[in-house]
Amino acid sequence: TQLLEQSPQFLSIQEGENLTVYCNSSSVFSSLQWYRQEPGEGPVLLVTVVTGGEVKKLKRLTFQFGDARKDSSLHITAAQTGDTGLYLCAGAQFSGGYNKLIFGAGTRLAVHP
Amino acid sequence: GAVVSQHPSRVICKSGTSVKIECRSLDFQATTMFWYRQFPKQSLMLMATSNEGSKATYEQGVEKDKFLINHASLTLSTLTVTSAHPEDSSFYICSARAALGWETQYFGPGTRLLVL
Repeated sequence: TQLLEQSPQFLSIQEGENLTVYCNSSSVFSSLQWYRQEPGEGPVLLVTVVTGGEVKKLKRLTFQFGDARKDSSLHITAAQTGDTGLYLCAGAQFSGGYNKLIFGAGTRLAVHP
Repeated sequence: GAVVSQHPSRVICKSGTSVKIECRSLDFQATTMFWYRQFPKQSLMLMATSNEGSKATYEQGVEKDKFLINHASLTLSTLTVTSAHPEDSSFYICSARAALGWETQYFGPGTRLLVL
């Protein structure tokens, strides 16, 4: 089973600061997805990256897939209190005839006013 | 689009009883649905994968006789926790994928199970 290491585990910052969350693996993923999860709710998909070196932007969020498709990063510019939540990366692994997601441990972000 | 619902959103039951959780894809047909369990302050752990019309595939360490999965149609999968015990208390989340090879999964809102 491929492992996906996510860091940092916790992040507490002030509004307006920038931050980066990392997901790393020694194995190659066919794609990688980033989710955000609020307490007591299911994860909400933010983005899917498929191509090595791909960069996708979603307003103040920038997602990058490593050239070798083993790692990914999420960068948030000028964080707002509304960005507070649990951010999860998940890599797609082909196993048993279908793709399944391997989740990182998550990064719990707290943005303070 | 790509909305997945779960019912119930939370359930409290007595130890030894069975609980059924439904997962529905509301605006697309899901060839594959996934069931996850999430303990407090932890990430999602895949329990099993169900394909419409076939038996579910369970992850290592997940008891198939305890967690019964039925994927009877392209829009509905159910997870039944049989003879529930307090250690089964958790947040159960389903996800659905629309087409074979399409890797994006859309998640339901989760079901909070508390076994007394």
